[in-house]
Amino acid sequence: EMQLLESGGGLVQPGGSLRLACAASGFSFRNYAMSWVRQAPGKGLEWVAVVNGFGNNRYYADSVKGRFTVSRDNSNNTVYLQMNSLRADDTAVYYCAKPDDPSGWWKREVFDLWGQGTVVTVSS
Amino acid sequence: IVLTQSPGTLTLSPGERATLSCSSSQNINSNYLAWYQQKPGQAPRLLIYDASSRATGIPDRFSGSGSGTVFTLTITRLEPEDLGTYYCQQYHNSPRTFGQGTKLEIK
Repeated sequence: EMQLLESGGGLVQPGGSLRLACAASGFSFRNYAMSWVRQAPGKGLEWVAVVNGFGNNRYYADSVKGRFTVSRDNSNNTVYLQMNSLRADDTAVYYCAKPDDPSGWWKREVFDLWGQGTVVTVSS
Repeated sequence: IVLTQSPGTLTLSPGERATLSCSSSQNINSNYLAWYQQKPGQAPRLLIYDASSRATGIPDRFSGSGSGTVFTLTITRLEPEDLGTYYCQQYHNSPRTFGQGTKLEIK
């Protein structure tokens, strides 16, 4: 069974840092670009970042560019989101998501598998 | 690309038909548009991709249509379990964007 399991969320002060992890199982992890998508309380979905299958190319939403870094460890089937300079408007549930395209690139990001999410709260 | 969904909230009874719209600010001539269902407290679930193809395990009560700048998700024979928020998403270009959602309530 394919599965994604996020961890690392919590309460952090503005300006602080947090690293999220997403452990994948049940599919050939290195064949898929992996994305992070977030959802602020009571709001809609916002795509945040993607890393290609090799881990050497990344793309970010303007709202997090320069503050967040996405990376992956294919030997451990895990994708990470390092979040620095956190702000109150980064408060959200963070989901990792797998696309249906096994090219390893973000050519078509139809997200057919989602994790359960991890909650990040930025507050003093 | 900005996706605008309407209506914001839809309240219907079991057995009725729901029609949800997604309007794009740019022409999505690839038909690279997906629909997701999100139930309260859960992660989104893929329903439709490529505007009209049903994802694995999705009942045929759910159908997608449209092209260009206007897309529609139709749910026939509504069931109580269909309640939730429905989002459209484009993957025609980057960054990928979602609509703001349509909340479906079942009376």
